[in-house]
Amino acid sequence: SQKIEQNSEALNIQEGKTATLTCNYTNYSPAYLQWYRQDPGRGPVFLLLIRENEKEKRKERLKVTFDTTLKQSLFHITASQPADSATYLCALLASGGSYIPTFGRGTSLIVHP
Amino acid sequence: EAGVTQFPSHSVIEKGQTVTLRCDPISGHDNLYWYRRVMGKEIKFLLHFVKESKQDESGMPNNRFLAERTGGTYSTLKVQPAELEDSGVYFCASSSNRRLAFYNEQFFGPGTRLTVL
Repeated sequence: SQKIEQNSEALNIQEGKTATLTCNYTNYSPAYLQWYRQDPGRGPVFLLLIRENEKEKRKERLKVTFDTTLKQSLFHITASQPADSATYLCALLASGGSYIPTFGRGTSLIVHP
Repeated sequence: EAGVTQFPSHSVIEKGQTVTLRCDPISGHDNLYWYRRVMGKEIKFLLHFVKESKQDESGMPNNRFLAERTGGTYSTLKVQPAELEDSGVYFCASSSNRRLAFYNEQFFGPGTRLTVL
């Protein structure tokens, strides 16, 4: 069955460092991969989308890579700040037009001042 | 511009009772989605409306769940009768329907936390 794995353990880093979160998937051939941010008591907020034929995408301090051979995406936040502390979800979208995301469980990021 | 709103924010009911959740999408968004997150699990898709029509309801767990979107504006999700396993956070999301966009970003509401005792 399709499976999306994100590290269930929280990632703790110091302010100013680069945070790297991992999303691995199996039994899936996504056309697109998304990353969302979710704060406590809030809904997910879309951050970035990367297509299967794109290796890397950047947006301000965020960088996403997508390796369809390894079936893995890495999400980087450079120069991290305490305000970046949140849960980050990866989601896969199949081709075909419905664009309904299949979510991972998310990884909590805690940036210490 | 107001975002997606959901009501109530929390609901605690007894097993066997009925609960109705409401979602108001962003004005002008044709697409409306319902999702659910059970504790410890991932967010899962329930169904998708395009205007007032159900486009995809493949994620609805069973016939105790009924979603409506009369008039293509707000939507309700009714659970009747509620069971213990229905507890979780129910999210609503909406997106526009711009023909030129290959993908329309979904905007999520804050969710309704449902607890069935």
